[in-house]
Amino acid sequence: QSALTQPASVSGSPGQSITISCSGTSSDVGGYNHVSWYQHHPGEAPKLMIYEVTNRPSGVSGRFSGSKSGNTASLTISGLQAEDEADYYCGSYTTSDTWVFGGGTKLTVL
Amino acid sequence: QVQLVESGGGVVQPGRSLRLSCGASGFIFSAHAMYWVRQAPGKGLEWVARVSHDGLYENYADSVRGRFTISRDNSKNTLYLQMNSLRLEDTAVYYCARDLRGGWAFDYWGQGTLVSVSS
Repeated sequence: QSALTQPASVSGSPGQSITISCSGTSSDVGGYNHVSWYQHHPGEAPKLMIYEVTNRPSGVSGRFSGSKSGNTASLTISGLQAEDEADYYCGSYTTSDTWVFGGGTKLTVL
Repeated sequence: QVQLVESGGGVVQPGRSLRLSCGASGFIFSAHAMYWVRQAPGKGLEWVARVSHDGLYENYADSVRGRFTISRDNSKNTLYLQMNSLRLEDTAVYYCARDLRGGWAFDYWGQGTLVSVSS
């Protein structure tokens, strides 16, 4: 199972919006709505930010939103804040009854 | 509050074995499937294995199938990962994570334990 494709890095200024893409295939991202996004500050436990493409767990800021079109999912962060600087990973359930993650995107808040 | 605490990591030679544990608290452990996910140095996350809530069903990534075994003891609220025939490429931080019931995601993660396979 190949990893999902994410940009290695994205950046934005405080207050701006950014979008991180996550490209897969019809066997994972395109085959189900079981796409999730995780925020990871190095040295800490990863944190679930979005599940089932668009759903936010309780406690996650409304500035985080998810979407999907075909085999590509996206995470959008609006009103960027300094504390949003982290690594972000997408994940998807697959037709092989396994899970696959993206390679990760490093978000820099300028 | 939900807590997951991994232990058992360390330095091990190629071909040897190691068993990781993950102690769970703050929730009904037996109600959730559980996972192991790893992150090699400088790399992204990689799903390793899953065990059903009752321990009766397991599945594995191709990279570890036949070498690693996931299990759980619901009476002890503990998840395990038995790692045999370790390879250099198994070097990683290993995280345990809880299944978001009905949400097809990993909703709580531990801080991880480092496994270093080196001769």
